[in-house]
Amino acid sequence: AQKITQTQPGMFVQEKEAVTLDCTYDTSDPSYGLFWYKQPSSGEMIFLIYQGSYDQQNATEGRYSLNFQKARKSANLVISASQLGDSAMYFCAMREGHRAGGGADGLTFGKGTHLIIQP
Amino acid sequence: EPEVTQTPSHQVTQMGQEVILRCVPISNHLYFYWYRQILGQKVEFLVSFYNNEISEKSEIFDDQFSVERPDGSNFTLKIRSTKLEDSAMYFCASSQAGTVKTEAFFGQGTRLTVV
Repeated sequence: AQKITQTQPGMFVQEKEAVTLDCTYDTSDPSYGLFWYKQPSSGEMIFLIYQGSYDQQNATEGRYSLNFQKARKSANLVISASQLGDSAMYFCAMREGHRAGGGADGLTFGKGTHLIIQP
Repeated sequence: EPEVTQTPSHQVTQMGQEVILRCVPISNHLYFYWYRQILGQKVEFLVSFYNNEISEKSEIFDDQFSVERPDGSNFTLKIRSTKLEDSAMYFCASSQAGTVKTEAFFGQGTRLTVV
């Protein structure tokens, strides 16, 4: 089963509009973190925002906010006032916290959403 | 601003050859990772490394792959006897801690093409 599901392979949005990118996740671990990364056409991975499973409030970072609905296991990224430079691939990712003895778990990524902002 | 640096940015190699991809993580980070992204697909975790040993590895990270931190700054991924399907973008990442909330900072990637 997919641990991270992004159901929108591609989206077209008008400049200045808000956009919501969907992400649902699957874990039985009570402790986990959810991340969104942006990958422009140049290829690098840029961290955008983080939400922890125990966080009471939705995360916000500038124009990015996360609509975290724990019961539904969803962590949708909201970009307000979209700009042409927001055109990129967007990946939702999760890190689970079951590792009690230290060390580091890798991130599990979704397949991504290709967002295109139109002028 | 500190960043993760990867070299080379693009490497072309013949099938069956060995390649070494190099990374310089952010200097005060303790956890290091390799990921790969086959063209047009999602990013896949390969391996994490902490305290000079592998912390976790995925099914992809088989005996063909190895990682090393040969000195205090470099972190390398070696792929022995490359196959056509190893062609991908390989990302190195590092983080200060290994907790669930610690973001990983990614390098620019090395595009490996196996011919």
